[in-house]
Amino acid sequence: QPVMTQSSSVSASPGSSVKLTCTLSSGHRSYIIAWHQQQPGKAPRYLMKLEGSGSYNKGSGVPDRFSGSSSGADRYLTISNLQSEDEADYYCETWDTNTRVFGGGTKLTVL
Amino acid sequence: EVQLLASGGGLVQPGGSLRLSCAASGFSFKTYAMSWVRQAPGKGLEWVSSISGDGAVKYHADPVRGRFTISRDNSKDTVYLQMNSLRVEDTAIYYCAKILDSAGCDYWGQGTLVTVSS
Repeated sequence: QPVMTQSSSVSASPGSSVKLTCTLSSGHRSYIIAWHQQQPGKAPRYLMKLEGSGSYNKGSGVPDRFSGSSSGADRYLTISNLQSEDEADYYCETWDTNTRVFGGGTKLTVL
Repeated sequence: EVQLLASGGGLVQPGGSLRLSCAASGFSFKTYAMSWVRQAPGKGLEWVSSISGDGAVKYHADPVRGRFTISRDNSKDTVYLQMNSLRVEDTAIYYCAKILDSAGCDYWGQGTLVTVSS
């Protein structure tokens, strides 16, 4: 089954941009993933579906500041013009026959 | 508006049982697969179980296989998670989620807390 690797934490300043990475395991480089945001004390929220081609489709109400891209086994989430409310944990998700997998999550701190 | 309302959590002793429910509204429930995902205190998201729209296909993660069973009642727009032989390590917030085909879990419920402790 696929394995997804994420950096544990990242920090950035308000108004700047940050690029989060989710890396798919060998043999799963072409997989579609989803990105989710979890603000402190809240349920996760779906951000987007992201394909290996770099094409992405965002969920309802997701701001234009959020975008996705891909390169090989890496899937990226870029957040532009960082706001304080973007401080959250970000998870990637993928799926295979009879299983779903989440990455370990990246904690984004907006300093 | 899609809404997923999970319930049924609580405090249970090791070896005990609980049944979680998730009532859905705002979409054609029978058309979509559903999942349960859990989050232990201070930890990340962990997939638990999924079920197809018609209920015919079910699959469970290795840590819960043989102890947990996912089911659904499309006449009630509700998905369930029957949890037996509960262990301390099953302590977590349990979220239900709607699955969008080839796109991931596109809507999440608010979660229900399960605490397994003596």
